[in-house]
Order: sequence, then structure tokens, then C-alpha cells
Amino acid sequence: DAKTTQPNSMESNEEEPVHLPCNHSTISGTDYIHWYRQLPSQGPEYVIHGLTSNVNNRMASLAIAEDRKSSTLILHRATLRDAAVYYCILRDVLSGGSNYKLTFGKGTLLTVNP
Amino acid sequence: NAGVTQTPKFQVLKTGQSMTLQCAQDMNHEYMSWYRQDPGMGLRLIHYSVGAGITDQGEVPNGYNVSRSTTEDFPLRLLSAAPSQTSVYFCASSRAARQGEGGYTFGSGTRLTVV
Repeated sequence: DAKTTQPNSMESNEEEPVHLPCNHSTISGTDYIHWYRQLPSQGPEYVIHGLTSNVNNRMASLAIAEDRKSSTLILHRATLRDAAVYYCILRDVLSGGSNYKLTFGKGTLLTVNP
Repeated sequence: NAGVTQTPKFQVLKTGQSMTLQCAQDMNHEYMSWYRQDPGMGLRLIHYSVGAGITDQGEVPNGYNVSRSTTEDFPLRLLSAAPSQTSVYFCASSRAARQGEGGYTFGSGTRLTVV
């Protein structure tokens, strides 16, 4: 299984940008990088995904290193509602080779201070 | 759209009892899956389905059965509940399970306690 490494926890202040790092040194050329977050007592929520180029959506930006061995999820202005566990995931191949699953690690617990 | 709906939200079972966790999605997603989440651990895949009539095992399938008779529904059956099955169960769906096809939508979870 492709592995990712994230810090266990990070803190931020409200309305400041947050940069959540992820290392994935064993990434293959066809692996997409996915980010999910899980708010307390809720199911995981899709945030963003990308392959090589930086990606933006209404929730966040994803910056991918040129060698693809690391990426950074950027929350441009953290709010209290962004306090959650953030998971960086490389999809794993399911048996048969044509389908994929998400392998969740422990993620980064983001605390946002008012 | 309701997205992914899981019922019940909470359940307490006695050891040896059986029950079915329900999962329904209204997005016409091909792919559906069940995960369990235990304290201090990440989510682990139990079973998945790539379409109606097709199911397969994930990482931790023992003690669970699934079926997919319609695109919308993917129930998870506990055959004979054990305390080790105490967990939070999440159902997820996506347009396809293929790489780069977008994100998964998760339900809000079923919190199961087996005593």
C-alpha cells in the first residue's frame, strides 16, 4: 500500500492561512493525492484531489511538489469550523487492478484558536 | 439531494445477535463501500461493491455480509455480533472507484456497541 506521513497535530489561529503537509515518497506516477477531513462525530468529507498540477476549489488549495513526493493542503483563512482531522491519502488498488480504495491513516488533528 | 443515508445512527446489540446496517445513496453512484473506524485507528475497508450484483471483500470482512441488489442500497449484515465489532461504521459512495474520478461521499455513521 502506498503510504503517507502527516504530523499528528497542528494549531492555527482563526482567519489565518493553514498549511497542512503530507509526505508520500513512495508515490507512483499514476497515484492521485486525495485529501479528506473528518469533523468531530461526523463521517469523512472529501476536500480535494490532484495528480501533478496544483488544484483549487471552494474549500482549499492543493500544492503538489514537482517530484510529487510531498504535497500541502492550504486553507486560505481558517475558521473554527475547519477544526478537524485531515487525511492525506493515496488511493490503493483493489484486487483486479481496475478499482481503488481509500486507506486512511491517523491524519493531522487541526486545532483552530479563536 | 440527501447524499448517503445511514440508519440507524446508534445501536446496542447483545453478543450473538444479528442485525443489518442500512446504507442508501441517491446520487446514482456505481461504487459503494463500508468502513469501520475504531478509536486510535484509521478507517478500514470491510466490503465494497462496484455495481449492482457485484460485491467483494475489503481488509476486514470476517463477520460481515453484504449484497447489492440495487444501485441505491448497500446493506451490511452482522451475522453474530461480537464485542470486537463495537465500532463506528461508515458507508461511502462514489461515481466510480477508478483513479481520479473524484471524491467519495460518506454517510454520517452508525455507532454500534456490542455488549
